[in-house]
Amino acid sequence: NAGVTQTPKFQVLKTGQSMTLQCAQDMNHEYMSWYRQDPGMGLRLIHYSVGAGITDQGEVPNGYNVSRSTTEDFPLRLLSAAPSQTSVYFCASRTVSHGGYTFGSGTRLTVV
Amino acid sequence: DQQVKQNSPSLSVQEGRISILNCDYTNSMFDYFLWYKKYPAEGPTFLISISSIKDKNEDGRFTVFLNKSAKHLSLHIVPSQPGDSAVYFCAASRNQGGKLIFGQGTELSVKP
Repeated sequence: NAGVTQTPKFQVLKTGQSMTLQCAQDMNHEYMSWYRQDPGMGLRLIHYSVGAGITDQGEVPNGYNVSRSTTEDFPLRLLSAAPSQTSVYFCASRTVSHGGYTFGSGTRLTVV
Repeated sequence: DQQVKQNSPSLSVQEGRISILNCDYTNSMFDYFLWYKKYPAEGPTFLISISSIKDKNEDGRFTVFLNKSAKHLSLHIVPSQPGDSAVYFCAASRNQGGKLIFGQGTELSVKP
């Protein structure tokens, strides 16, 4: 079991560029979420999904898109990167029957 | 509006003593609460949880207390060990749903 796999681990983007952060889990978890971690702000929920084909907005969704075409994958798209999106991004998944999310190791994104 | 708050950014404790980390929430609809531990450059890991039907849950050295009337929960670590040094996040959800909201985190330092 690989758990939750995030790629890439590090990325530098120029303002205005687009990119997709990848997230895959091999535990057949129904729920998946994306968080960003910023100093003093904790972990803030960007988008989440309760199953394939179902997504919803979290606390800070602006500037990000998601889709969930399969149970395993939950990519996060930055449409036009801004310096305010410089952060560490975490993907997480959990099964319906247990409240504890399993987190990936994170993607450190810098937008210059 | 921060629905889950950890007002102490840091806490320092001597090895062998008790560590008490606090968390407050504002949304009375939250009914499931979790604590996560995070080391640098890693994703958060699930530590312990509690449902609103309980006021206490224990797991080894870790105990979580819930005071629903005060909308307050706390994590007790007894005895504290240097390996417990990490950032601790509390989190809350409704009906164990996919939307998990985190606090800002408290950095615990356990000194030998």
